[in-house]
Amino acid sequence: DAGVIQSPRHEVTEMGQEVTLRCKPISGHNSLFWYRQTMMRGLELLIYFNNNVPIDDSGMPEDRFSAKMPNASFSTLKIQPSEPRDSAVYFCASSPQGQGYEQYFGPGTRLTVT
Amino acid sequence: KNEVEQSPQNLTAQEGEFITINCSYSVGISALHWLQQHPGGGIVSLFMLSSGKKKHGRLIATINIQEKHSSLHITASHPRDSAVYICAVPGGGADGLTFGKGTHLIIQP
Repeated sequence: DAGVIQSPRHEVTEMGQEVTLRCKPISGHNSLFWYRQTMMRGLELLIYFNNNVPIDDSGMPEDRFSAKMPNASFSTLKIQPSEPRDSAVYFCASSPQGQGYEQYFGPGTRLTVT
Repeated sequence: KNEVEQSPQNLTAQEGEFITINCSYSVGISALHWLQQHPGGGIVSLFMLSSGKKKHGRLIATINIQEKHSSLHITASHPRDSAVYICAVPGGGADGLTFGKGTHLIIQP
């Protein structure tokens, strides 16, 4: 298996632009997680899906952030409009099913908003 | 929300030394994760454990559920073990993880 795939690996954009991050989980995994990592706050959960359904989005910073999982093999995290404070590394992870299972992380997308 | 504390924050040791990293959490959990993040940024799951001890090569993880404490040990440390080690637990009954701040480990030759 190719593991969790994220694209793009790097994104540089100007403040106010829309940014879309993409994730393909490991085939057969039922849970998908979006995390954000910054120097100040470390790793934080943004949102997670179970069987394509958003279960907990309490970590989503504000309405500028939205996430979708239209099918079992694809998820997007969108920021509109982007702001410099959104600069971070965004990780997607998947697991067979929630708690009690290891999570497999993608390589991350490094986002820079200027 | 589960609070996760790791210690030490930074650790520099000589090759061959025995390394211990500690993690404590505030709310009872079903399982605890140890992750490794290399300088390149990738995150790898090392262990997931709910009781007792697990061993993989030179890495050993232990957990005491009653005391809400876990340790990660590295025996015969090597420069390639240099990385950030992160403890994580499920947050508030949900499946998403809450992370410690990480321990930045440097093993000098």
